[in-house]
Amino acid sequence: GDSVTQMEGPVTLSEEAFLTINCTYTATGYPSLFWYVQYPGEGLQLLLKATKADDKGSNKGFEATYRKETTSFHLEKGSVQVSDSAVYFCALPRSNDYKLSFGAGTTVTVRA
Amino acid sequence: DGGITQSPKYLFRKEGQNVTLSCEQNLNHDAMYWYRQDPGQGLRLIYYSQIVNDFQKGDIAEGYSVSREKKESFPLTVTSAQKNPTAFYLCASIKWVSEGEEDTEAFFGQGTRLTVV
Repeated sequence: GDSVTQMEGPVTLSEEAFLTINCTYTATGYPSLFWYVQYPGEGLQLLLKATKADDKGSNKGFEATYRKETTSFHLEKGSVQVSDSAVYFCALPRSNDYKLSFGAGTTVTVRA
Repeated sequence: DGGITQSPKYLFRKEGQNVTLSCEQNLNHDAMYWYRQDPGQGLRLIYYSQIVNDFQKGDIAEGYSVSREKKESFPLTVTSAQKNPTAFYLCASIKWVSEGEEDTEAFFGQGTRLTVV
């Protein structure tokens, strides 16, 4: 069935470094794709999403492009801050069984 | 302001007690979900409901129960049969795309941290 596979961490970076978290998907059609962020002790917040091929989602300096040819939805940020330290989840809504498929989550720590 | 509200934020349970976690949404979504998250782990589906008065077991339903009497509310009861209930519990609501609508929406609450004392 439809699913996502996410690069596992943890990832440790210095402030102002470039961040990439890889996410690839397997799907029979073209489902929407989401990135969620979870700050320590909090719930999941929708960071960005894309609904069709070649869409680019962006928010808070993060970007992800829905690439059909590589079945990918990698998350990128050009210059991270300490406040970006969190766990990031890639997700795909499966309309065949009405469930979300999540990646394993990537813990990102940004050091000053 | 639309959203999902979980309460309480922290909950302590004694051994052998049942406790109920609240989840309320005003997004007018039909579908609601409960997930469990253990430290350093991903999300595991406990129960979900597509419509009022109907719900289905997820991957780890044993020791939990739910009800869906109103569209806005999906409370989760952690029963004494749940052997290891200490965890972070997340509620979500989802609008599944229908023909003619743009895209699926999926939002989460802020979570309830349950600790057995």
